[in-house]
Parts: sequence; structure tokens; C-alpha cells
Amino acid sequence: AQSVTQPDIHITVSEGASLELRCNYSYGATPYLFWYVQSPGQGLQLLLKYFSGDTLVQGIKGFEAEFKRSQSSFNLRKPSVHWSDAAEYFCAVGPGFGGSGSARQLTFGSGTQLTVLP
Amino acid sequence: EAGVVQSPRYKIIEKKQPVAFWCNPISGHNTLYWYRQNLGQGPELLIRYENEEAVDDSQLPKDRFSAERLKGVDSTLKIQPAELGDSAVYLCASSLGGGSGGNEQFFGPGTRLTVL
Repeated sequence: AQSVTQPDIHITVSEGASLELRCNYSYGATPYLFWYVQSPGQGLQLLLKYFSGDTLVQGIKGFEAEFKRSQSSFNLRKPSVHWSDAAEYFCAVGPGFGGSGSARQLTFGSGTQLTVLP
Repeated sequence: EAGVVQSPRYKIIEKKQPVAFWCNPISGHNTLYWYRQNLGQGPELLIRYENEEAVDDSQLPKDRFSAERLKGVDSTLKIQPAELGDSAVYLCASSLGGGSGGNEQFFGPGTRLTVL
């Protein structure tokens, strides 16, 4: 069964500082990996996704993530955080190419709440 | 392009009452998902539709939950009767197709249910 672990429940950074949110996954084959952001009262918005190819993925809002197969990780990074980045961030894993048709759902981590200090 | 629409946005009911949530997916998206998101947790899939067919409902508590997607467009999720533990945000998402796990899912704003 697939699973996602986000070890940090809450992270606080100062505006302008760099950010790294951790994500570890468990999956038996090549996964599709996603990062979503959720602002209060809003649905989830996709930041970026990894399917194959270059292991460093660029997303919206200046975010990037790096897939490391050897570490089963897909950490999200941003070089300089803005106050508007304060939100909850979810990592998710889905079946990769050739995955069974019955498992086409995303499995989400429990999220990391980001607070940005002025 | 309109996103995924959900209504109502908020619902407060007493336990044992019925409740229904409505979702209209993005036009042309044949795959529709219902998720439940408990406080402090990530979303968990309840049911997935491919057009009007429910192809994955293994996580749907069938004793009290039901869903339908007539005509393969909008969908309704119902709880009857509601229990205190059903308090959560119910999210609807849609995607172009289930052909591969990589199709992006677009999420609606959710319905926040409070059961008293």
C-alpha cells in the first residue's frame, strides 16, 4: 500500500528566508508525486508534480521539488518565502505509469502548516 | 474556465439528521472524486467516478454514505444519518481521465460539515 509521511506538522520561517518541507513516500513502483497547497477555506491547489525525467521539478509561485529515489523523498523548497506563502502544504503520491486501475487515487500526507513571520 | 463548484460551503446539522453535498466538476472532466478531510489531516478518498460509474468506493462507509453521479456530470454525496464523527471538510475533485495516475486533480473549495 502506498503512504506518505510529512514529518513536520508545523514550520515557522521569517519572510525572505529559505524553506524546505519534507516528504517521504512508500510505494512499490515508480510513483507520481505531487505537492498541493491549501489556504484557509480554500481547496487544494497543485504546486508541482513529478512523473519522470529530470528529478528537479519547477512549480508555480517559485517552488521547486527534488525527487530522490534512493531516499524515497520528494522535498519541497523555495529560496525566499513570502508572507502570502503561509498555508498548509500537502505531499501526495499516486500510481505511476502501469499502475493498477483500481488505485488511481492520490494518497496524501497529513500536511505541514507553514507560518511566515514578518 | 470555471473551477470545481461545491455547495453548500458550510453546513451545521444535528446528529442523526441527513445531509447532502453537491459538486459540479470542470466541464469535460470525466473523472470525479469525493474526499473527506478531517481536521489536521490530508484528504482521504471516499469514492471515484469514471463518468457515471463508481469505480472505486472501497473507502465509502456504505451503511450511511451514498453517492450518485447521474449523467456523468455533477454529483451528490449524502450522509444519512450523520454522526458526530462525520464532522469534516468534504472535497470534490475532477480530472480529465483516469488513464494514468498522473492526471492532475482539480479541487473544489469543499463543504465544511459540523455535526452537533
